[in-house]
Amino acid sequence: DAKTTQPNSMESNEEEPVHLPCNHSTISGTDYIHWYRQLPSQGPEYVIHGLTSNVNNRMASLAIAEDRKSSTLILHRATLRDAAVYYCILRLGSGTYKYIFGTGTRLKVLA
Amino acid sequence: DAGVTQSPTHLIKTRGQHVTLRCSPISGHKSVSWYQQVLGQGPQFIFQYYEKEERGRGNFPDRFSARQFPNYSSELNVNALLLGDSALYLCASSLGPSRDTQYFGPGTRLTVL
Repeated sequence: DAKTTQPNSMESNEEEPVHLPCNHSTISGTDYIHWYRQLPSQGPEYVIHGLTSNVNNRMASLAIAEDRKSSTLILHRATLRDAAVYYCILRLGSGTYKYIFGTGTRLKVLA
Repeated sequence: DAGVTQSPTHLIKTRGQHVTLRCSPISGHKSVSWYQQVLGQGPQFIFQYYEKEERGRGNFPDRFSARQFPNYSSELNVNALLLGDSALYLCASSLGPSRDTQYFGPGTRLTVL
């Protein structure tokens, strides 16, 4: 079954870059890699997604390994508002278009 | 613009009862997915509906059912509630069922006593 593995927690200093890793060795060729984040008492919020190439948007960058078995979410300058649980997700590309969430990484940003 | 809305916000039930949770997608979105999030864990996929038809089902017992209405809103029903059904139930909507980004609502917190 599709699965993602992330560290349970990470810490970063404010205004420094943060690299959040994710392993997804069971990924298939049509599965997309999505990242969402969740603040307490809220639903997950979309951050970024990609298939094979690295992606950039106003929130973050996504670096995908050449074999696609791992990826890294990069927050260029962490702020206190970036403290959240970050989920690396496989969005299955065939049959059921469901999201497979991992257990997430709790990011703590230090002032 | 209004995001995904869910009702009720919180709900307390006892074992064996039945519950109905409701979701209104973002205007123009035709696909709705339901997820269960147990405290401390990531969300688990339950169902996806598109154009009133079930497009996907996760590993949940038949006590869980859902439907989508002509206006694309959706209901999740859970029968014969168990203590283990206590969780945050999340609804997400997207334009379609395939590659579109899903947008999540705030969830319904269900407590089963």
